[in-house]
Amino acid sequence: DVKVTQSSRYLVKRTGEKVFLECVQDMDHENMFWYRQDPGLGLRLIYFSYDVKMKEKGDIPEGYSVSREKKERFSLILESASTNQTSMYLCASSFLGGPVGTIYFGEGSWLTVV
Amino acid sequence: KNEVEQSPQNLTAQEGEFITINCSYSVGISALHWLQQHPGGGIVSLFMLSSGKKKHGRLIATINIQEKHSSLHITASHPRDSAVYICAVVLSQKLVFGQGTRLTINP
Repeated sequence: DVKVTQSSRYLVKRTGEKVFLECVQDMDHENMFWYRQDPGLGLRLIYFSYDVKMKEKGDIPEGYSVSREKKERFSLILESASTNQTSMYLCASSFLGGPVGTIYFGEGSWLTVV
Repeated sequence: KNEVEQSPQNLTAQEGEFITINCSYSVGISALHWLQQHPGGGIVSLFMLSSGKKKHGRLIATINIQEKHSSLHITASHPRDSAVYICAVVLSQKLVFGQGTRLTINP
């Protein structure tokens, strides 16, 4: 059974803290994505990666960075968390060729910044 | 204006009813996904369409490329179908999402 696993389901962090959200996939996918989902705004792309050590900005990269040192792992980093980054974060992966084929999502990480 | 518009935003129906959720988009696309999100967050891909119609169990998805429109139908709806249904179009190898339709099926 295919799997995209996000390390933390629920986190509470303080303003200014550095936050790491980890995502691991076991399908040997080239593409990995980080989205955030907010009420009324839907899912928005933060960053994506199509290969190890490669990354591309999405629609809302400000305040975030990413790391992809291994093919199966894609990390989202909030260098200095702010309250407007309170959201649900979703990781996804797909084969190279973009999300034309099936895309697989993790269960989501609910981050609250206080 | 969003590139992907879904309607309705919220839909409540009785068990057994036939359900239709609509998705319209404003740009040329290579494919369209229908996704299902249950409470708790996880998203499952239901269909990927580039033309015509697909069926899986009680779910049917159609797309009209010329009219830039897709529909998701659920026959004989059941309370377990209660979820948020999201339409997403493929643009330049990235997904652009609709706002989602919250479906509630009452017993």
